[in-house]
Amino acid sequence: GQSLEQPSEVTAVEGAIVQINCTYQTSGFYGLSWYQQHDGGAPTFLSYNALDGLEETGRFSSFLSRSDSYGYLLLQELQMKDSASYFCAVNRDDKIIFGKGTRLHILP
Amino acid sequence: NAGVTQTPKFRILKIGQSMTLQCTQDMNHNYMYWYRQDPGMGLKLIYYSVGAGITDKGEVPNGYNVSRSTTEDFPLRLELAAPSQTSVYFCASSFRGWNTEAFFGQGTRLTVV
Repeated sequence: GQSLEQPSEVTAVEGAIVQINCTYQTSGFYGLSWYQQHDGGAPTFLSYNALDGLEETGRFSSFLSRSDSYGYLLLQELQMKDSASYFCAVNRDDKIIFGKGTRLHILP
Repeated sequence: NAGVTQTPKFRILKIGQSMTLQCTQDMNHNYMYWYRQDPGMGLKLIYYSVGAGITDKGEVPNGYNVSRSTTEDFPLRLELAAPSQTSVYFCASSFRGWNTEAFFGQGTRLTVV
């Protein structure tokens, strides 16, 4: 089977940096994706890692290490609008399978 | 460009009733997906399709059916609604199932009473 583990909640301060980890137990997948979902909204795509290493998109970066079955999303210069749930997902066998998500709380 | 459109946005069903959740996309994407999301939880894959005429089961297919007669449309059918199907349903599409982003509709909030 496939499973992805994320912390259920993370709290950080506005302006700071936060890292959301994702560990997985699956093999043969194409890549690891990250999505953001605000309360009452739909998930929106943030980033995708097909290869090991760091991908940077503005304030957001994502990292993948296949040998460690591990990835993370790094959010810099946190803003109040970043308060949301963040999901990692694996793209495998024509499917996209999501983790349970991490709720990010940002304190002023 | 509308993207992925789901209808209805909200629906209340009685136990045993049936309904179809509509999903259409105008991006000419081959891959389409149906997810359900229970409160405070992640997205569970119900069914997916890699192209017109091809559908397959996801993680939680029981109680649901789908069809894909065109590239644009991917309706989800609930035949005998049960309280356990109370959830928010999201339809999504992507150009490929791998290495590309998925675009989501705004969701259908379904309550079965």
